[in-house]
Amino acid sequence: SQTIHQWPATLVQPVGSPLSLECTVEGTSNPNLYWYRQAAGRGLQLLFYSVGIGQISSEVPQNLSASRPQDRQFILSSKKLLLSDSGFYLCAWSAEVNRNPQETQYFGPGTRLLVL
Amino acid sequence: DAKTTQPPSMDCAEGRAANLPCNHSTISGNEYVYWYRQIHSQGPQYIIHGLKNNETNEMASLIITEDRKSSTLILPHATLRDTAVYYCIVRVVGYNQGGKLIFGQGTELSVKP
Repeated sequence: SQTIHQWPATLVQPVGSPLSLECTVEGTSNPNLYWYRQAAGRGLQLLFYSVGIGQISSEVPQNLSASRPQDRQFILSSKKLLLSDSGFYLCAWSAEVNRNPQETQYFGPGTRLLVL
Repeated sequence: DAKTTQPPSMDCAEGRAANLPCNHSTISGNEYVYWYRQIHSQGPQYIIHGLKNNETNEMASLIITEDRKSSTLILPHATLRDTAVYYCIVRVVGYNQGGKLIFGQGTELSVKP
């Protein structure tokens, strides 16, 4: 079965410091990968998605970047954190479209980031 | 993707069926209805999805009206562990649609003993 991991689970960082959040998926190959952010309240905002190694699409302009150095690894980064970057960061995966044309997404446990 | 409307909160007695409504009056023919839930401080959990036929799995049933303008998620025997925020999402699916899930405010379901 497939599993998705995120770390760290929680993180407290000072303003202006760098950020690196990691997401890995096991049990599948060539997944689509996604980064979402959930700020105060309930809505999730899609930040980035990737359909393959080195292929990143950005949904909103922001202080963050994403990279996919390996097939099942997705990294969210920032060079200098802002207070507004605080939130709950969620990674999700879906099977490649030929095996999952309905593109059901499955989420990881999330990383809670507090920028002070 | 079409917009959805859900009640902000609902209560349900433990052991009873929880019926969560969702309105999606602007849904188009190629849009599916998805349901996710989010238990406090966890990532969203996929529950079920459907196009126009009713669907059932081990977690829940999804009833979609014939005109597809609304749907109901049914948890047949709610337990305390079903307390969560439930999200109804309507989206186009198909080959390389970009995969965006637009989460609204959802319904906060409280299951009470």
